[in-house]
Parts: sequence; C-alpha cells; structure tokens
Amino acid sequence: DAGITQSPRYKITETGRQVTLMCHQTWSHSYMFWYRQDLGHGLRLIYYSAAADITDKGEVPDGYVVSRSKTENFPLTLESATRSQTSVYFCASSVEREGQETQYFGPGTRLLVL
Amino acid sequence: LAKTTQPISMDSYEGQEVNITCSHNNIATNDYITWYQQFPSQGPRFIIQGYKTKVTNEVASLFIPADRKSSTLSLPRVSLSDTAVYYCLVGVLFSGGYNKLIFGAGTRLAVHP
Repeated sequence: DAGITQSPRYKITETGRQVTLMCHQTWSHSYMFWYRQDLGHGLRLIYYSAAADITDKGEVPDGYVVSRSKTENFPLTLESATRSQTSVYFCASSVEREGQETQYFGPGTRLLVL
Repeated sequence: LAKTTQPISMDSYEGQEVNITCSHNNIATNDYITWYQQFPSQGPRFIIQGYKTKVTNEVASLFIPADRKSSTLSLPRVSLSDTAVYYCLVGVLFSGGYNKLIFGAGTRLAVHP
C-alpha cells in the first residue's frame, strides 16, 4: 500500500477554479484508476488508464480530465470545480498476480468545493 | 451492468464467523467477483477474488454458487479490528473493460466485544 501516494491529502477550493489531484505509484503497474466516494454511493469509477497515453472513461467522467504521460503518474483535473464534486477521491493501480487482479488504493484526497 | 446488492450493515461479536452475501443477478460470463475492506479515512484493501465455487486465503473464504448470481464472503472468528466496510465488486478483469466495473454500496460490519 505504501507504493501509491496522493497529493494533496486535503484541498479546499471555490466553485469555478481548476484543481489537480496528483497520484503517483512506485511500482510499474500498467493500470491506474480514479474513484470518487460519496456517502451512500460507495466508490464510483471516474477514469482509468491501461498504460501511458491510454485512458478511458468510467462511470462518472463528466467534469474531469485525466492524463498519463508517464506510467507512474496519473493526475486528475477538475477543470471548473462544482460543489457536486465535493468528495473523497481515491487513486488506485492494479496488478495481475497468480491469476488474480488486485487493485491497490492510495490514502485518498478529501476535496471540498465551496 | 452487473449491479450488486449487499446488506447495509451487520453486527457480530468477537470470535464469531461472519457471512456477508452479495447479490449480482446480472453477472456476465466473464465477470469476476472481488471483495474489498475499507477502514475509515483509508483506501479500500483487497481481501479475496473468485470466479466460481470456493476460494480461500489466509483471511477469508469466498463462496460462489453454480449460477453465480450471488456470492458470500466468510470471515472466520472476527475480532474488533475487522470492524470496517466491505465492498463486493463484480466485473471483467485482466483485459480492460473497467468502465463496467461496479462497486456495491458496501456493508458496514460492526464487531462488538
């Protein structure tokens, strides 16, 4: 678990501002993910990436942009933050090992949009 | 999409076996079933994964009936430290398709002394 980090851990911003959440993994996992977690909704997938320069939408991509120029980094950008994007954001990476695929999650970023 | 349904909460006592069932009536042929555990202010942590029948590891067992429309996570002899939220996840693995990966709402397990 210590191999995936997120920054900042806490962020307060205002409606309309651009915010970028960072995610970094020290392994060389191909797949990386961004989830948001809200009360009553569990985790919902925003975007995922299969490799550098390959990204795809998840369940709730609207209002978010991702990029992946390097395997180890997967930043998530809110181009114009809205109050509905107040949430806890988790980054994850995954590896296949012995016939199982495991996602390793970061500690999360708590975002408050005022 | 294979939507999942779990009990919202469960209570147990230390030393008891806990079984949490997840319903996934629309599970597809290529879908796997994975369970994660989450403590407050932390990211989820992988517990166990399976496709059919029974899977066991050092912390849990996963029972999947032949029709695969449900699955049961079994935690033997729980302790206070097992108090957490448990998520059932159904979806295709190993080959992308993650936009169809759906987490359940989770089951909040409380273990009492």
